[in-house]
Amino acid sequence: DAKTTQPPSMDCAEGRAANLPCNHSTISGNEYVYWYRQIHSQGPQYIIHGLKNNETNEMASLIITEDRKSSTLILPHATLRDTAVYYCIVRVAPGKLIFGQGTTLQVKP
Amino acid sequence: EAGVAQSPRYKIIEKRQSVAFWCNPISGHATLYWYQQILGQGPKLLIQFQNNGVVDDSQLPKDRFSAERLKGVDSTLKIQPAKLEDSAVYLCASTFRGSGTGTLLNTEAFFGQGTRLTVV
Repeated sequence: DAKTTQPPSMDCAEGRAANLPCNHSTISGNEYVYWYRQIHSQGPQYIIHGLKNNETNEMASLIITEDRKSSTLILPHATLRDTAVYYCIVRVAPGKLIFGQGTTLQVKP
Repeated sequence: EAGVAQSPRYKIIEKRQSVAFWCNPISGHATLYWYQQILGQGPKLLIQFQNNGVVDDSQLPKDRFSAERLKGVDSTLKIQPAKLEDSAVYLCASTFRGSGTGTLLNTEAFFGQGTRLTVV
């Protein structure tokens, strides 16, 4: 079973920041938080991952709470092409990515 | 760098027939996964390989599904006989594994485009 809980859907205005929350209260000390997104008819696309420190790359930022029980994915300037299903995943040994239902993000003009 | 290659892209079969899917992971990637994604749901892990050995196949319906990765590179997933509920997208993913499980947990996996199977 997935170790994460996400809201089923969210809206965001184009050009604004999209903040996608995720709860993972049962995460263990050596398990990483991963974010993927899936655009219709494509395979999941890697976005970012982290253990306990905040992370940033060219796509997004990942903010992990100090107790590691929740995290937030931030897309700083959402565009229409960011409309997708976003999956928050806790990666468990021996390297499994267990997907939940994800959050459908709709970016609106 | 080439991505994860899967074929065919689409397949339509009748129930009780057999079908096979092929995956070629990114060069050098030792870990390979097969996922099943039913419409409207997140991908579900079927099997994980490390080189040519099975690491986890606890969710693979072994009465009808089989998978192999004989030379530790490409892999095939087979369904025989297919049922209507097997209609789904079958995704392959791969990861480069360094030394130790910790390295694997800290290395992103890359997915192919998937094979869409329709069983009629």
